[in-house]
Amino acid sequence: ILNVEQSPQSLHVQEGDSTNFTCSFPSSNFYALHWYRWETAKSPEALFVMTLNGDEKKKGRISATLNTKEGYSYLYIKGSQPEDSATYLCASNSGNTPLVFGKGTRLSVIA
Amino acid sequence: DAGITQSPRHKVTETGTPVTLRCHQTENHRYMYWYRQDPGHGLRLIHYSYGVKDTDKGEVSDGYSVSRSKTEDFLLTLESATSSQTSVYFCAIRETGTHYEQYFGPGTRLTVT
Repeated sequence: ILNVEQSPQSLHVQEGDSTNFTCSFPSSNFYALHWYRWETAKSPEALFVMTLNGDEKKKGRISATLNTKEGYSYLYIKGSQPEDSATYLCASNSGNTPLVFGKGTRLSVIA
Repeated sequence: DAGITQSPRHKVTETGTPVTLRCHQTENHRYMYWYRQDPGHGLRLIHYSYGVKDTDKGEVSDGYSVSRSKTEDFLLTLESATSSQTSVYFCAIRETGTHYEQYFGPGTRLTVT
């Protein structure tokens, strides 16, 4: 089973701070990398899907980059707000296989 | 919300009883998935389906079975529920196309006493 690792496990930042998290995945036979935002008591919400080395995606204050050669992706949040508090999941797959999810990074933004 | 519903949304059952959870989708997606969410483990795949009557096991399939007799419904059955199966269960669909985004249902909270 493909192994997807996320770090840090949890993070506390002050409102207005910028922050970033890491997702590591096997680079061999890579197919796609997904990022999700998951609020407590809700279902995961898709943020980005990236497939090509060097891909960069942006949605508002959140952006992500992908390095398939070394097997990592970064998620950045600029000017964190309390509403950004959530667990951020990444998931990857190889070929046409089901996604394998990391355990997530839990972000708490303190006002 | 990709037209995904799950039922029931909450269930409490006793150890040893059979339980069936239903995932229903309205947009004719071929791929459907069942995950469970547990603290410290994130989302783990139980079973998935790639078409009517076509299913395969995921990472944590022991104690679970699935059926897909029509495109819109994917059923997850716990043959004899155990306390270790207390969890939140999410169904997901995968869209067709270039990016294969996956979308999740609202979840079913199952408690086995």
